[in-house]
Amino acid sequence: QFQLQESGPGLVKPSETLSLTCTVSGGSVTSNAYYWGWIRQPPGKGLEWIGYVSYSGSTKYNPSLTSRVTISLDTSKNQFSLRLSSVTALDTAVYYCASVLWGCSRSTCFYYFDYWGQGTLVPVSS
Amino acid sequence: EIVLTQSPATLSLSPGQRATLSCRASQSVSSYLAWYQQKPGQAPRLLIFDASVRAPGIPARFSGSGSRTDFTLTISSLEPEDFAIYYCQQQGTFGQGTKVDIK
Repeated sequence: QFQLQESGPGLVKPSETLSLTCTVSGGSVTSNAYYWGWIRQPPGKGLEWIGYVSYSGSTKYNPSLTSRVTISLDTSKNQFSLRLSSVTALDTAVYYCASVLWGCSRSTCFYYFDYWGQGTLVPVSS
Repeated sequence: EIVLTQSPATLSLSPGQRATLSCRASQSVSSYLAWYQQKPGQAPRLLIFDASVRAPGIPARFSGSGSRTDFTLTISSLEPEDFAIYYCQQQGTFGQGTKVDIK
């Protein structure tokens, strides 16, 4: 069972880059059974998938965010991170990191978010 | 892009009653669908994956069914701690959520 913890600045200014780190305990980020993902939730709204990074470092992003998002692994620290550039007030949200249980069958792949961090609220404001 | 539509938006029930939540996909997703529970101020919790498999530690009163485009989450007898928002998910898409509140 993984434990995940988000960390990063509590406030970001418009046009700047949001950076968050997720520290994983209870397992290794290089485990080939898991990917590592980010999800966000604007205040009072639903969940939005941001993207994930695989154990080998390959990535997949939400098409609506792909031009601004980078997710990467730091295997030496057992962490993964999120960078979101050129933020606006619309990026204000609780950001969650999560372990991603994945698999492929025939031509279809699936993934589910099985362990989550507690989330961190990141306001975007000047 | 697959769209997931959940209904109803809100379900008002009493403890002990049965809750039936629906999630409809805009195209077939086979059985690759998950359900999550979220309580205020908390992260979502995985309840069901592969449409009908309970995640570890999830009580038996939660069950999932369906395939292709139509899925159901059933809570057989609501406990006080079950009043929450429930989301379905398939790959990078979440439904908009169903709130189960106390009648």
